[in-house]
Amino acid sequence: KAGVTQTPRYLIKTRGQQVTLSCSPISGHRSVSWYQQTPGQGLQFLFEYFSETQRNKGNFPGRFSGRQFSNSRSEMNVSTLELGDSALYLCASSPGLAPYEQYFGPGTRLTVT
Amino acid sequence: GEDVEQSLFLSVREGDSSVINCTYTDSSSTYLYWYKQEPGAGLQLLTYIFSNMDMKQDQRLTVLLNKKDKHLSLRIADTQTGDSAIYFCAESITGGFKTIFGAGTRLFVKA
Repeated sequence: KAGVTQTPRYLIKTRGQQVTLSCSPISGHRSVSWYQQTPGQGLQFLFEYFSETQRNKGNFPGRFSGRQFSNSRSEMNVSTLELGDSALYLCASSPGLAPYEQYFGPGTRLTVT
Repeated sequence: GEDVEQSLFLSVREGDSSVINCTYTDSSSTYLYWYKQEPGAGLQLLTYIFSNMDMKQDQRLTVLLNKKDKHLSLRIADTQTGDSAIYFCAESITGGFKTIFGAGTRLFVKA
């Protein structure tokens, strides 16, 4: 079974721009979660989607948004980028039911200059 | 609220056992996980335990859960240099659809 893929792997953007990151989960998995990982804040939960519905979201500003498509692929968007948005963005795939085990992609490294 | 805490560093000699500790705050029905992250990679699920269990063993890994103290530990037997990584403790409340991660414990294994 193919693992979780994230594209692009690396991205450099300028303050004020917007960015879209993509995640393809493991075949058959219906849940996708997104996390932001930084040295200072660690792993912070952004949101979780299951069958195209957002079931939970973390404490991030509205500039961070996401969606999930009918094939379970997911995208997250960050608008009006700030320097503090520089981070590793991780996508995790899960069947979506207990025990909610997650399988992570390699991440997208976003640098905002 | 939900919070997961773990010590930041652990150093052991190759061949020794490593014990990584974690405390969590939520007393709801929950799953607790251990993930491993190597440099430049995403997280890899190592094992998980449900909050009504006391122990789980999987090859070199042993998870112990003290529900009263809300304390979780991961023991790695016969630690190898390839075990050097960051280990994350995480908690997911049943039906919460959200996993909370600790800050991670960096394990150094000296040859």
